[in-house]
Amino acid sequence: DGGITQSPKYLFRKEGQNVTLSCEQNLNHDAMYWYRQDPGQGLRLIYYSQIVNDFQKGDIAEGYSVSREKKESFPLTVTSAQKNPTAFYLCASSRHTLAGRTDTQYFGPGTRLTVL
Amino acid sequence: ELKVEQNPLFLSMQEGKNYTIYCNYSTTSDRLYWYRQDPGKSLESLFVLLSNGAVKQEGRLMASLDTKARLSTLHITAAVHDLSATYFCAVDIKTSGSRLTFGEGTQLTVNP
Repeated sequence: DGGITQSPKYLFRKEGQNVTLSCEQNLNHDAMYWYRQDPGQGLRLIYYSQIVNDFQKGDIAEGYSVSREKKESFPLTVTSAQKNPTAFYLCASSRHTLAGRTDTQYFGPGTRLTVL
Repeated sequence: ELKVEQNPLFLSMQEGKNYTIYCNYSTTSDRLYWYRQDPGKSLESLFVLLSNGAVKQEGRLMASLDTKARLSTLHITAAVHDLSATYFCAVDIKTSGSRLTFGEGTQLTVNP
């Protein structure tokens, strides 16, 4: 089955630790995205990538890092510099876009990160 | 800076009633998406509206786009409990570099 997988589903982090959230897709999509959602709020874009080995900062990139070494994978690292990382993290992907446009984004099941 | 505003943010309605959710945005766009999110779950794509005057319908939900007014609506007809969820609109603008800007979401509760 084609789709987007995220792991783990739940993640607990101690203060000062870096953690990496996994996102894999087998939809052959070129573009991938990471969003953060806080309780009762909308989605905020952290990073996005339109092509392998390239990515751009979103609105709240501070304290996060990404890599895009393979088309199907877009891992997100939450670093110790992110002071309030407890949130629901969603990964999405979409087909290759024309310049400046995006196609329907399909979302993974999410990772719920809690800082202890 | 693109702003996307939804209203209402919270909506409680009775089964069988009709209602409309509004999505206003601040910059010219001809591409708008509606998503649904169940509590604790991910987002599910509902509609994509690609031009002025576009109308899409699926079951009890109908979405429309007026690019001149910078407004999209999501109309709910004869609501049922299964429609209880949070609904998000998301806007794509040409200068955004292949990204969406989401509204805050409308939390819909349909009561028996």
